[in-house]
Amino acid sequence: SQQGEEDPQALSIQEGENATMNCSYKTSINNLQWYRQNSGRGLVHLILIRSNEREKHSGRLRVTLDTSKKSSSLLITASRAADTASYFCATFYNTDKLIFGTGTRLQVFP
Amino acid sequence: DAGVIQSPRHEVTEMGQEVTLRCKPISGHDYLFWYRQTMMRGLELLIYFNNNVPIDDSGMPEDRFSAKMPNASFSTLKIQPSEPRDSAVYFCASSLLGQGYNEQFFGPGTRLTVL
Repeated sequence: SQQGEEDPQALSIQEGENATMNCSYKTSINNLQWYRQNSGRGLVHLILIRSNEREKHSGRLRVTLDTSKKSSSLLITASRAADTASYFCATFYNTDKLIFGTGTRLQVFP
Repeated sequence: DAGVIQSPRHEVTEMGQEVTLRCKPISGHDYLFWYRQTMMRGLELLIYFNNNVPIDDSGMPEDRFSAKMPNASFSTLKIQPSEPRDSAVYFCASSLLGQGYNEQFFGPGTRLTVL
């Protein structure tokens, strides 16, 4: 079964607003990664956060990790129409396999 | 670097036919992964290679699926015979080291339709 479950499944916002997506997982992890997938394209890596980190930033992206709650969130600030995509979390633990979640579909209206 | 290259981008075939998907990973990457993405099941790892050697094929759905990596710059995923339920987008990805510590780079995918 999939490790990560994203919430919400779909999110619609206006340009300029912030978008927050959550990921919950079931077992221990070494790290958690977030990927973006534009329609009809492959996945693109956004950010990796290790289990001993609590927060990480990359441009307009902010990722938090709470290992006690087994959850992570991805915040996109000042969203743009170009941010419209599906966003996936992926977890890694003691194997060479990344396990991907179910994804959040984000729609940003201009 | 051109990134991960997959061919063909689209494949339409009839049930029972053999299908071969191809992938060229990023040069220097030691790990190669094959994924399948469907609306119902999401993104599933089928098999991955380390230094051209298959490490875990537990995700391969049936014996109809096979994958090879004859050298560091080429891999194939073959379905024989194909069935309508194999219709999906198949992605190839590569990474430099053990995937837990590195990002994976995905190809554009092959959209397979089996009629």
